Amino acid sequence: DIVMTQSPDSLAVSLGERATINCKSSQSLLYSSNNHNYLHWYQQKPGQPPKLLISWASTRESGVPDRFSGSGSGTDFTLTISSLQAEDVAVYYCQQSYNTPPWTFGQGTKVEIK
Amino acid sequence: QVHLVESGGGVVQPGGSLRLSCAASGFTFKNYGMYWVRQAPGKGLEWVAFIRYDVNNDYYGDSVKGRFTISRDNSRNTLYLQMNSLRAEDTAVYYCARGKLEKQLWVPFDSWGQGTLVTVSS
Repeated sequence: DIVMTQSPDSLAVSLGERATINCKSSQSLLYSSNNHNYLHWYQQKPGQPPKLLISWASTRESGVPDRFSGSGSGTDFTLTISSLQAEDVAVYYCQQSYNTPPWTFGQGTKVEIK
Repeated sequence: QVHLVESGGGVVQPGGSLRLSCAASGFTFKNYGMYWVRQAPGKGLEWVAFIRYDVNNDYYGDSVKGRFTISRDNSRNTLYLQMNSLRAEDTAVYYCARGKLEKQLWVPFDSWGQGTLVTVSS
């Protein structure tokens, strides 16, 4: 099974500052035939279900603010919130869909306001 | 728009059974793979089960294999999860979720229900 490891487990960022979350997979998520990374990011606010933010490492879902961006390839990925807003307080998860089943998630990163 | 509504959660004793349902609307249900994902209190997300759009294959996480069964009724636009031999560690909010692309397997989950809480306790 592919193991997904996020860092840090939590971070506190001032409003308007950048937040960076890292995700590392135990094997490459890059599918060579289509050059897509099968890595996705979710946001989960308290008391709510997860919401898909970014798919295939860097494609923002419809309606997701452009302050959210995803990057990386292979085994190392990053979710960046360029200017943290109060409504971005949440837990963020990465997930792989490359070698499935199983579909595996990172342990989550909690983002708070400093 | 896409709407997923889970039901069937509740309190059950260890060793008991429960069947969850997920009513889908707003999309062509029979064209999408469907998933169950759970979240234990204060913990992260764990994929539980998947069923293909055409019901030809289903897959399970190791922690539930042999105890849980996923199924679907495409005529009723409903997904199910039959849970048997329940254990305390199965206590969680159970979400149903849809695969992002029609008839595709290796996709993210683009729509989620609000979840239903299952508590296994004596």
